[in-house]
Amino acid sequence: QLQLQESGPGLVKPSETLSLTCTVSGGSISDSFYYWAWIRQPPGKGLEWIGSIYYSGSTYYNPSLKSRVTISVDTSKNQFFLRLSSVTAADTAVYYCARRLIRYCSGFSCYSALFFGFDFWGRGTLVTVPS
Amino acid sequence: QSVLTQPPSASGTPGQRVTISCSGSSSNIGSNNVNWYQQLPGTAPELLIYNNDQRPSGVPDRLSGSKSGTSASLAISGLQSEDEAGYYCAAWDDSLNGVVFGGGTKLTVL
Repeated sequence: QLQLQESGPGLVKPSETLSLTCTVSGGSISDSFYYWAWIRQPPGKGLEWIGSIYYSGSTYYNPSLKSRVTISVDTSKNQFFLRLSSVTAADTAVYYCARRLIRYCSGFSCYSALFFGFDFWGRGTLVTVPS
Repeated sequence: QSVLTQPPSASGTPGQRVTISCSGSSSNIGSNNVNWYQQLPGTAPELLIYNNDQRPSGVPDRLSGSKSGTSASLAISGLQSEDEAGYYCAAWDDSLNGVVFGGGTKLTVL
């Protein structure tokens, strides 16, 4: 069974860089059917997509965060990473890593799209930036 | 403010059918597929519906999704107490070149 596990500091000082790792087990990060994503959720609020990466290194970023975000991948370790620079209290959130489905097959038909959904999620890790 | 619009709350009694709406625009729901998530308190979201109306294995058929134009809906029939949770819609947005979520709907089972 696929598992995703986020890891990294739970407390980051203002103006510093938040760094998280997502370790994928039970499956290959190089599977062509998937991108890999970071999503966050401030306490008591909704979900916000941060960005996604393909095993080849191709990335998509949320335009509102693009200037501060870098997502990278290490296929040899089955891990991908998030770096968010110049953090403020507004970046306090539970950070999730997830698998983004871009292809699937049903019966004799296969389908492709930029995004069919996030079908597996990590448990999330709370990162606090004090004000 | 979220790109996709959901009602902040919904409610129903056990056994009832409830519907949660998700409204978008031509750049997201109007031209891309919609997916839905359930989030129980203190847990990660779980995919309920993908590609507008497809259920992952393990999701009961009393949950269904539909899309028409720039809006989508999640229907839950035979409402149960364990359905009390937050529900989110999501889609790709061609203008933003990324994923957008709805603000979420908190479903209460009375």
